[in-house]
Amino acid sequence: NAGVMQNPRHLVRRRGQEARLRCSPMKGHSHVYWYRQLPEEGLKFMVYLQKENIIDESGMPKERFSAEFPKEGPSILRIQQVVRGDSAAYFCASSKGANQPQHFGDGTRLSIL
Amino acid sequence: KNEVEQSPQNLTAQEGEFITINCSYSVGISALHWLQQHPGGGIVSLFMLSSGKKKHGRLIATINIQEKHSSLHITASHPRDSAVYICAVRYGGSARQLTFGSGTQLTVLP
Repeated sequence: NAGVMQNPRHLVRRRGQEARLRCSPMKGHSHVYWYRQLPEEGLKFMVYLQKENIIDESGMPKERFSAEFPKEGPSILRIQQVVRGDSAAYFCASSKGANQPQHFGDGTRLSIL
Repeated sequence: KNEVEQSPQNLTAQEGEFITINCSYSVGISALHWLQQHPGGGIVSLFMLSSGKKKHGRLIATINIQEKHSSLHITASHPRDSAVYICAVRYGGSARQLTFGSGTQLTVLP
């Protein structure tokens, strides 16, 4: 199954640590989207990337959050100095083109102690 | 304000019943997705549509662009259909990301 792969599935961090979430898009997909689902809330857009470029980061918090999609390897969502409010499910989606269907991964559940 | 409204929020049905979940949005879109999410699980994309109607197995999705409204129908519902169903839209112009409704929790009882 060559679907969108996210790892880890579950990640536990203590306040102040860094969290790195990885997303490997489907084969042939060069567009990656990160979404966040806070407890008891709906999904919200965070960032949209193409290979080596951030296209739209209008949904990213201004501090502590960053994303990249290097030429080789998975897309990374990085959260520095995590706080309890960062606890959420983070989903990655990929598409072949900008107007093509988005396919989702299983998500990473981040818990902050 | 760009909003996506779903109804109902919660829906309980008996096995075999015909299910309808509704989605309305406030401004023009380029595409609409219906997604399925099981508890603690990933998200599965069921349909992407920009006009008309699509069918896959027991699932049917329709969209009325003029009315800014879409429906997801499930025929002959089954307990395994129990999940959260989410409507998501991609607005027109340069937007590429999805904007999501709050989801409909469907429970199908045996």
